[in-house]
Parts: sequence; structure tokens; C-alpha cells
Amino acid sequence: AQSVSQHNHHVILSEAASLELGCNYSYGGTVNLFWYVQYPGQHLQLLLKYFSGDPLVKGIKGFEAEFIKSKFSFNLRKPSVQWSDTAEYFCAVTTSGSARQLTFGSGTQLTVLP
Amino acid sequence: DGGITQSPKYLFRKEGQNVTLSCEQNLNHDAMYWYRQDPGQGLRLIYYSQIVNDFQKGDIAEGYSVSREKKESFPLTVTSAQKNPTAFYLCASSVGRASGTDTQYFGPGTRLTVL
Repeated sequence: AQSVSQHNHHVILSEAASLELGCNYSYGGTVNLFWYVQYPGQHLQLLLKYFSGDPLVKGIKGFEAEFIKSKFSFNLRKPSVQWSDTAEYFCAVTTSGSARQLTFGSGTQLTVLP
Repeated sequence: DGGITQSPKYLFRKEGQNVTLSCEQNLNHDAMYWYRQDPGQGLRLIYYSQIVNDFQKGDIAEGYSVSREKKESFPLTVTSAQKNPTAFYLCASSVGRASGTDTQYFGPGTRLTVL
């Protein structure tokens, strides 16, 4: 079965700092990759996703992620964070062997200090 | 206003009682899902349904049951057999493509506390 690892459990940054959150998955076949975000008091929502084509994908609110197949990674980046980016971020994957089942990582809590 | 509703927002039950969590969607989605969210563990899939009158177990189905009698509704029952039911429960829905590229849309969640 596939699994997703997010090694950073809690990240604290100052406003305007650059952000990179790590995500690694374990599956040797075709994958579809997602980043979801849960802002305080709001529903979990999609930030961006990748399933084919350009491995650098752009999402909402200035976020982007890069799929590196050789490293089994899909790291999330933002060049300059804002206080409003404070949230919990989840990486998730579906695979060719389990296309209908979304597997989530454990999440990274991002706190941005004003 | 399209979306997913879950009720109630907070639910308290005594140990040994079954409890049913409601999930309704008006997005005309075929697929619906139930997840459990615990601190530091992310979301874990309990059950999912791709079509009315059909559903499959996820990774942690033991102690839970579901039904899908209507396209828009997917209630989850937490039975007394669930050893550690206190958690935050999230319902989601998606179009239901077989490709696995669907975006899932989530409800606001129900926080269940078993006393």
C-alpha cells in the first residue's frame, strides 16, 4: 500500500520568509499528487494537484509544487509567506493501484508570525 | 449555495452507545467519503462510496458502518465496537472519476466526544 510522509510537523516562519514543505510518497507506479490546506475554522480545501504534464504546478494564493519522480517527492513552495498562510497543510496521493483512495500525510502546521 | 453539510458540529455520547453522523451534498457528486482526523495522524479513510447502494471499506473501517441510499446522503454510524471513537470526522465528495485525479470537497466536520 502507498504511504505519504511529511517530515515537518510544525514550521514557524516570519512574514516574507520563503517556505518549502516536504512531501515524499512510497509507490513505484503512476501517482496523482495533491496538496490540501486547512485554514483555522475553515473547510479543508485543495491548494493544487499534479497528475501529468509540467512537473511544476501552480496553485492558489501563490503556492507551487514540484513533482520529482526520481526522489518520490512533491514539495510545496511559496517565495514569501503571509500571516494569512497560517494553516495546516496536507500532502496526499492516489495511485494507479488504488485510484479511488486518497492517502494523506500526517500534515504540517505552518505558523507565520507577523 | 452548493457544498457539503455535516451535522451536528459537536456531538457527545456515552460509551457503549451507537451514534450516527450526517453528511449531505448538493454538488451532484457520485463519490462520497468519510475520514477520521486525529492530531499528528492526518486524515485516514474510513469508508467510501462510488455510487448509490455501494460502498467500500477504507483503511480503518472496523467499528464503523455506512449506508448510501441516496446520491446526496452518506451517513456514518460509529458503533460501540469502535475502541477509540473520540475524534474529528470529515465527510467529502467528488465527481468520481476512475482516474484518481478528482478533487475532493470537504465538509466542516463533526467533533465526536465519547464520555
